[in-house]
Amino acid sequence: SQQGEEDPQALSIQEGENATMNCSYKTSINNLQWYRQNSGRGLVHLILIRSNEREKHSGRLRVTLDTSKKSSSLLITASRAADTASYFCAPNRDDKIIFGKGTRLHILP
Amino acid sequence: DTGVSQNPRHKITKRGQNVTFRCDPISEHNRLYWYRQTLGQGPEFLTYFQNEAQLEKSRLLSDRFSAERPKGSFSTLEIQRTEQGDSAMYLCASSQTTVANTGELFFGEGSRLTVL
Repeated sequence: SQQGEEDPQALSIQEGENATMNCSYKTSINNLQWYRQNSGRGLVHLILIRSNEREKHSGRLRVTLDTSKKSSSLLITASRAADTASYFCAPNRDDKIIFGKGTRLHILP
Repeated sequence: DTGVSQNPRHKITKRGQNVTFRCDPISEHNRLYWYRQTLGQGPEFLTYFQNEAQLEKSRLLSDRFSAERPKGSFSTLEIQRTEQGDSAMYLCASSQTTVANTGELFFGEGSRLTVL
């Protein structure tokens, strides 16, 4: 299975702090994607990192990929209340995107 | 580009009834995915299409579930003889995927099913 497993399952931090979420997977991949989901809404794509990339930035997001360890991390810097959401990683090998249970991030005021 | 559209947004039905959900993907997107999500869980893969061809159907899906994408544009997901366990959010997503590049998934807002 190419399902990713996010860790931790839940994370609460103070506004302004950085949030780090991790993803582990078991198979080789072509790329890995991160998505955000606000309560009761559809998922929104955040960032895609290819298997030959090690790090990628997008605004306050920083994603790393270690294919030797089959792991990825998502860092959100200077968190805001609006970052409160569930975050999912999606390791992609054959375009059948499988999601794990996600990390529920709660930003405290 | 109006995004991925799903209808209806909410459906309440009695156990044993049939329900059908429709998904209109972003035009020219060749891939279309269906997922099911219950509270506190991640989206569970149901099936996906490349144009009109159904590539895979999850083994978790019973024979009561069927999906079509007849002309490679919109898709329908039908659930026959609904059960209370079918209550969930049904999510549709589309992407433009080539041999060399998997596009990001664009999700609709989902269709919430409540089976009484």
